[in-house]
Parts: sequence; C-alpha cells; structure tokens
Amino acid sequence: AQSVAQPEDQVNVAEGNPLTVKCTYSVSGNPYLFWYVQYPNRGLQFLLKYITGDNLVKGSYGFEAEFNKSQTSFHLKKPSALVSDSALYFCAVRDGGGYNKLIFGAGTRLAVHP
Amino acid sequence: DVKVTQSSRYLVKRTGEKVFLECVQDMDHENMFWYRQDPGLGLRLIYFSYDVKMKEKGDIPEGYSVSREKKERFSLILESASTNQTSMYLCASSSLGHKNETQYFGPGTRLLVL
Repeated sequence: AQSVAQPEDQVNVAEGNPLTVKCTYSVSGNPYLFWYVQYPNRGLQFLLKYITGDNLVKGSYGFEAEFNKSQTSFHLKKPSALVSDSALYFCAVRDGGGYNKLIFGAGTRLAVHP
Repeated sequence: DVKVTQSSRYLVKRTGEKVFLECVQDMDHENMFWYRQDPGLGLRLIYFSYDVKMKEKGDIPEGYSVSREKKERFSLILESASTNQTSMYLCASSSLGHKNETQYFGPGTRLLVL
C-alpha cells in the first residue's frame, strides 16, 4: 500500500536560513508526490508535484523539492526562509488505484523566527 | 483559477442533529473529495465521487453519507452528529486526467458538535 511519512512534527528555523521539511514515501510502482501548505484557518494550497524525470522540482513561493529514489524521499526545501512561510506543510502520494486519490502525511508545522 | 467553495467556514451543531456540508467547484472537475483533518492525523478521506450520482467510500466513511446530484456540487451529510465528528472538513476537486493531477481545496469548514 502507498504511504508517506513526515518524521518531524515541527521544524524551527531562523528567518534567512535555509529550511528543509522531510518526507519519505513507500509506493509500488512510480511515485506521484505532492506538497501542500496550509496557513491558519485556511484550506490546503498546492505547492508543487513530482513529475517523472525531474529530481529537483520547483514550485510556488520559492519552494523546491528534491526527489531521491534511492532514499525514497521527497524533501521540501527553500534557500532562505521567511516569517510568512510559517504554516503547516503536508506531503502526499497518489493512491495506487484509480480516481487520483491522495494519501497525506500527518503534517509538519514550520515555525520561522525573526 | 480553480475555485472550490464550501458553504460555511464555521458551524456549531448539537449531538443528534443532521448536518449538511456543501462544496461547489467551478472547473468542471470529474473528481470531488471530502476529508476531515485532525491534529496529528493529517487528512483522512471520508468519501469521494468520480461522476454525478457516483460515490465511493474512503478510509473513514462511518457516520457520513454524500450526495452528488450535479457535477459541480458535492455534499457531505452527517446523519446524526456526534461529538467525535468535531473536526475540520475539507473539500477538494480534481480532473480525471493524468496520474499527477492536482487536487484543489476549499477553505474548510470547522465543525463543532456539542
């Protein structure tokens, strides 16, 4: 069965420093991976998705994600964090069946301190 | 831009009441989804629909039902609300195209059952 894991409940980083939010996956077949962000009292906003062949994926708001097949990871990164990046981040993988269902990780809360 | 709207941002209901949550999307998407979001559990799929009048159970359908009479509208029904259904409810939609189709989310409904 497909699954994703976000090993950190919370990540703290100082403004201006690089940030990484971790995600590992387990799939049978090709992985279809996504990152979403949720700001307080809002729905989820799409950040980026993995497309086969591009190990470094660029997304919205300066975020990027690095796909690593050997480590089964899809970590979210940003070179220089902003206080406004503070939010809840979800990694997701497409379910192995039809209908484009997604399986979500538990989420990682990112706190960027001034 | 894709727009997914939900009928209420906040709802307060009493135990035993019948509750209707409505979701409307404007992108002619085939797929629509209902999730609930709880701290530490991420998003869990309740029901989804891939066409008008078609529905499939997700991971946690107990205590819920759905209705899709029109392509753009997907309703979640709590037949007899209970306190353990207090949660954030998120609706999403996506097209039935490629395997990496993005799901687009509404702003969420925060439901409190007393």
